[in-house]
Amino acid sequence: DTEVTQTPKHLVMGMTNKKSLKCEQHMGHRAMYWYKQKAKKPPELMFVYSYEKLSINESVPSRFSPECPNSSLLNLHLHALQPEDSALYLCASSNLMLAGNTGELFFGEGSRLTVL
Amino acid sequence: AQSVAQPEDQVNVAEGNPLTVKCTYSVSGNPYLFWYVQYPNRGLQFLLKYITGDNLVKGSYGFEAEFNKSQTSFHLKKPSALVSDSALYFCAVRRIVSGGGADGLTFGKGTHLIIQP
Repeated sequence: DTEVTQTPKHLVMGMTNKKSLKCEQHMGHRAMYWYKQKAKKPPELMFVYSYEKLSINESVPSRFSPECPNSSLLNLHLHALQPEDSALYLCASSNLMLAGNTGELFFGEGSRLTVL
Repeated sequence: AQSVAQPEDQVNVAEGNPLTVKCTYSVSGNPYLFWYVQYPNRGLQFLLKYITGDNLVKGSYGFEAEFNKSQTSFHLKKPSALVSDSALYFCAVRRIVSGGGADGLTFGKGTHLIIQP
């Protein structure tokens, strides 16, 4: 199984709503990532988890709250978002760059978020 | 900081002709370089990588890339383009953090490849 599964595929929410994006992988990867991608732009790194611990937060606003409940799951909790947060949110996983692993990232299909 | 640059916003190639999508890099230390492809409304698909060894790297769907240290380039190539190759292509470099931990990728701005029938 070489898939990263993201749900939901599409999400529309108001600025006062609370919602969550979910990501799951069963490749035994111990690193998981959230990226944000605006239309026709490159993905921008938001968060990195290593061994279920948050290791990188790229100065993301607190209205985005990541969570890694176990080594296979990654969530992104959303609250009080702004219209400019509308984007494609991509989850990825990889091996860590240890013991000769080259650590290419495997991406899910993304969750397209629209904030009204 | 690690970075990659893709100088072309768009590349147009006739079907059956060879294609090249350009990428240059700026890194400290040894580069870990990648190419990904993105079709409309889809996630990113891994094509190939350069870590060390042979400068010509072969990847998925008939793509290959040539690592050139003197020119700090990692151009993506294919001998004969297909209409189905039309997509958005990203060059990426592995970020570096101490201790070999997870770090993610930094992407170039992307190049739209359009293959004309």
